[in-house]
Amino acid sequence: DIQMTQSPSSLSAFVGDRVTITCQASQDISKYLNWYQQKPGKAPKLLIYDASKLETGVPSRFSGSGSGTHFTFTISSLQPEDIATYYCQQYDNLPGTFGQGTKLNIK
Amino acid sequence: VQLLESGGDLIHPGGSLRLSCAASGFTFGSYAMSWVRQAPGKGLEWVSAISNDAYNTYYANSVKGRFTISRDNSENTLFLQMNTLRADDTAIYYCAKDLSPSAYWGQGTLVTVSS
Repeated sequence: DIQMTQSPSSLSAFVGDRVTITCQASQDISKYLNWYQQKPGKAPKLLIYDASKLETGVPSRFSGSGSGTHFTFTISSLQPEDIATYYCQQYDNLPGTFGQGTKLNIK
Repeated sequence: VQLLESGGDLIHPGGSLRLSCAASGFTFGSYAMSWVRQAPGKGLEWVSAISNDAYNTYYANSVKGRFTISRDNSENTLFLQMNTLRADDTAIYYCAKDLSPSAYWGQGTLVTVSS
């Protein structure tokens, strides 16, 4: 199985800050990476697919980049409603393994 | 698109349970479907998936041989038969439209395996 290493595991930032989360795959997964947002008690919400494509309706402050084994997820200006846990997921091969998650808090 | 899971319960170790996911708002028979679970306070774990025609099924190593995914396209329903349940199967089980990326998820159903 492909292993996804996501960092950091938790992050605190101020409203308006630029926030970056990284995800490293144990082997080349090309562009086949998703980013999800999950708020407490809710199902995950797809934000980014194919590493950099913004899902319809998702604010443009969210973005993704990378290919191969190294990927980055960025919130350009953190908003209070962005408090959540974020997960990467590879889908180059089944099982579609997830990263461990990054819990994002407001300072 | 709506996905509504049901069937979660408190079950003893070694027991069996069948989860259902009722789908609406899209042509169910045209899409692969997936199950993803989340243990309490933990991250997401992909569990199983099935092709649109049920010809192909896929399982995580952790559930292979114990869980069976199936679907009834005439009833727009996805199933997960879970046998020989263990304490580490305790989780919220989500169904999701498509293999990946999954833009539509249900609200989840809680399975608790405990004596």
